[in-house]
Amino acid sequence: DVKVTQSSRYLVKRTGEKVFLECVQDMDHENMFWYRQDPGLGLRLIYFSYDVKMKEKGDIPEGYSVSREKKERFSLILESASTNQTSMYLCASTPRTGWWSYNSPLHFGNGTRLTVT
Amino acid sequence: AQKVTQAQTEISVVEKEDVTLDCVYETRDTTYYLFWYKQPPSGELVFLIRRNSFDEQNEISGRYSWNFQKSTSSFNFTITASQVVDSAVYFCALSEISTGNQFYFGTGTSLTVIP
Repeated sequence: DVKVTQSSRYLVKRTGEKVFLECVQDMDHENMFWYRQDPGLGLRLIYFSYDVKMKEKGDIPEGYSVSREKKERFSLILESASTNQTSMYLCASTPRTGWWSYNSPLHFGNGTRLTVT
Repeated sequence: AQKVTQAQTEISVVEKEDVTLDCVYETRDTTYYLFWYKQPPSGELVFLIRRNSFDEQNEISGRYSWNFQKSTSSFNFTITASQVVDSAVYFCALSEISTGNQFYFGTGTSLTVIP
């Protein structure tokens, strides 16, 4: 089974702190994603990566950056945390199965619930 | 514009009742995929089903069934004889070939099954 592991289940940070959310997958998937989940808004894509050192902005990239130095690891960085970034953050991955690889189901981690005070 | 609409925000049913979760999608593509995911209280989204746009056959898996109707752009999910373990948030999602780098999620339906 694919395993997507997010390093922290709960995090509490202060406004202005730099925050790192780590995600590791063990199935050699090319594509990795960071979503944010808020009540009434569903899942919104922050960033995704289709290869090492490659990244693309999603719908809500402002205030975030990402890093993918190794295939299995995709990090989300909050450069200066703010209270409006309090949310559940979900990492996911999929394999690249062809020229259109987004027909494979997403495999999700357990999520990191971040509170910024 | 919302590409995937789940109009039901919250649903409560009594155990053993049947319940249908609605999903309406919007796309101009002829090639696309639809998905359902379950998010139990533990938080991890679990993949339930994928359906491609060329396969309108309904699918049944145990107590779960899915009704895909292109004519109404709907991909509804029915749980028969609901159980407490079915309590979760359910998300419908769309992946379309023209915007292949995106999965579009609905806002989710929170289902509570009362014992």
